[in-house]
Amino acid sequence: QKEVEQNSGPLSVPEGAIASLNCTYSDRVSQSFFWYRQYSGKSPELIMSIYSNGDKEDGRFTAQLNKASQYVSLLIRDSQPSDSATYLCAVKVNNNDMRFGAGTRLTVKP
Amino acid sequence: DVKVTQSSRYLVKRTGEKVFLECVQDMDHENMFWYRQDPGLGLRLIYFSYDVKMKEKGDIPEGYSVSREKKERFSLILESASTNQTSMYLCASTYFGLVDTQYFGPGTRLTVL
Repeated sequence: QKEVEQNSGPLSVPEGAIASLNCTYSDRVSQSFFWYRQYSGKSPELIMSIYSNGDKEDGRFTAQLNKASQYVSLLIRDSQPSDSATYLCAVKVNNNDMRFGAGTRLTVKP
Repeated sequence: DVKVTQSSRYLVKRTGEKVFLECVQDMDHENMFWYRQDPGLGLRLIYFSYDVKMKEKGDIPEGYSVSREKKERFSLILESASTNQTSMYLCASTYFGLVDTQYFGPGTRLTVL
């Protein structure tokens, strides 16, 4: 089993809709969770981090964490075509190690 | 403004060649990482370094070596390139103990013929 799993997609949503991206992880002791966005041909950039169970909101983005279910998600409200990218889920394993999922490709159609 | 640079954006090499990929960061970060990214497999850690001359193997170190002679520079070496090392290579850096925010370089797309 992969340490961090994501649906590869592609996930397609219309402009203005909510995009929901999901991620599960296998290491129960993981404490820190991250979402990176990667545009085609570009390097990943951090968009959200979450450390506690529950929701964390930042503008149109909401990260949700459920440690009991080993599940983390990212919601994008009012999706825009500029949100079209691959979203990588990442889990901090220890102080010097981060594990990444394979990414979910999101397309927002005008 | 944080900056991680990589020596080449695109590189084409032949099987058996020795390949050097360089990464430089200007943020005084202790930690530096080399990943490769392949479709469907995501980012996989090759090596990381938490200090000058220190290195740790990641998940897929076979066929690679690294060098960290100066804090700002972390080199990835393919001793004898093979076609299965064709990939996107990404360098990242962060402060020691703060792996949370990794700053990535632009990546090097390496093709081995």
